[in-house]
Amino acid sequence: GENVEQHPSTLSVQEGDSAVIKCTYSDSASNYFPWYKQELGKGPQLIIDIRSNVGEKKDQRIAVTLNKTAKHFSLHITETQPEDSAVYFCAASMGYALNFGKGTSLLVTP
Amino acid sequence: SQTIHQWPATLVQPVGSPLSLECTVEGTSNPNLYWYRQAAGRGLQLLFYSVGIGQISSEVPQNLSASRPQDRQFILSSKKLLLSDSGFYLCAWSVVGRSTGDEQFFGPGTRLTVL
Repeated sequence: GENVEQHPSTLSVQEGDSAVIKCTYSDSASNYFPWYKQELGKGPQLIIDIRSNVGEKKDQRIAVTLNKTAKHFSLHITETQPEDSAVYFCAASMGYALNFGKGTSLLVTP
Repeated sequence: SQTIHQWPATLVQPVGSPLSLECTVEGTSNPNLYWYRQAAGRGLQLLFYSVGIGQISSEVPQNLSASRPQDRQFILSSKKLLLSDSGFYLCAWSVVGRSTGDEQFFGPGTRLTVL
């Protein structure tokens, strides 16, 4: 089955800096790659996603890039703010099942 | 707009007791429905998904079961809880019919502690 690796497991940045989280996947048939943000005690919230026919997608301060050849995708957050502090999960899917990475705990310090 | 509800929000149960967690979705028809478990400090593990009433697929063998008695209702059950069943249980929904991956939207979750 699909295996998704996510790095780093923890990330601390200063407010205003950029943060990058990287994921790799094993199954070349995966064609959908969402990113979720989870705050403490809450359900994950979909923040951005990308499909395999696209190389990059941006939404304000958040961007995702996909390299199908290398089978990796990344989340980029620019101009980080304290409210960006949360756990971020990547996932890969080719159908019903989302296969999640183990998460990155992002801390943005003022 | 669509809304997904889960209850209870928290639950503390003794080992060997039964379990019933409920999930309902509003504002959409015939959604795909999912149950995930999240252990402390880990990612999400898919337990069950359903593409319609009475249609349940299990992803991992365990002592849990799922049922979908109505279009927008998904229930997670157990006859006898184990300590290892403790975790954060999340229900999610997606739109039926996508052929290239589903955007899944999660509920607020149920924190289950088995003692």
